[in-house]
Amino acid sequence: GQNIDQPTEMTATEGAIVQINCTYQTSGFNGLFWYQQHAGEAPTFLSYNVLDGLEEKGRFSSFLSRSKGYSYLLLKELQMKDSASYLCAVRRNTNAGKSTFGDGTTLTVKP
Amino acid sequence: DAGITQSPRYKITETGRQVTLMCHQTWSHSYMFWYRQDLGHGLRLIYYSAAADITDKGEVPDGYVVSRSKTENFPLTLESATRSQTSVYFCASSESTGGETQYFGPGTRLLVL
Repeated sequence: GQNIDQPTEMTATEGAIVQINCTYQTSGFNGLFWYQQHAGEAPTFLSYNVLDGLEEKGRFSSFLSRSKGYSYLLLKELQMKDSASYLCAVRRNTNAGKSTFGDGTTLTVKP
Repeated sequence: DAGITQSPRYKITETGRQVTLMCHQTWSHSYMFWYRQDLGHGLRLIYYSAAADITDKGEVPDGYVVSRSKTENFPLTLESATRSQTSVYFCASSESTGGETQYFGPGTRLLVL
């Protein structure tokens, strides 16, 4: 099976930087996804990491360390619209595309 | 506009009734998935399909049935609804099992009384 842990809630200030961590335990790791989900809406794709290191996309970056079973999502220059849940999902190579999701981190951005 | 759609968007039913949730995608994606999301929690996989006529169980398949006679459709049926199946149901699709993301439908909010 898989265990995925994320903090339940985080609060940050507009314009600041926030790091959302995700730790996982799995066999046959085949990639880690980050999704953003606004309240009442569907998840939308943010990033995908399969190799160690940092992937940057504009204000959002995602980091992966496979040896440590650890990833983080870094959000820079926070905006009010970044208030949402952020879901970490891990894919195993035996699962034909299936991903297991963490419970998500609810981020609140305050003025 | 092309994409992935779900119907109905909202459904209220009673315990013991059969309910079918529809999912349709226009991308011809091979893979399709059904998840449920309970309040304050992440997504849990119910069933998935790698292609037409190929389906497999996810984490929480009990009480649900799926079929995939056509690539674009992946209906989910609750054979005899229970209150514990009150949830938000998301359908998703993806092109492959590599680095391709899953694209999610808007969700169906189901209340079982």
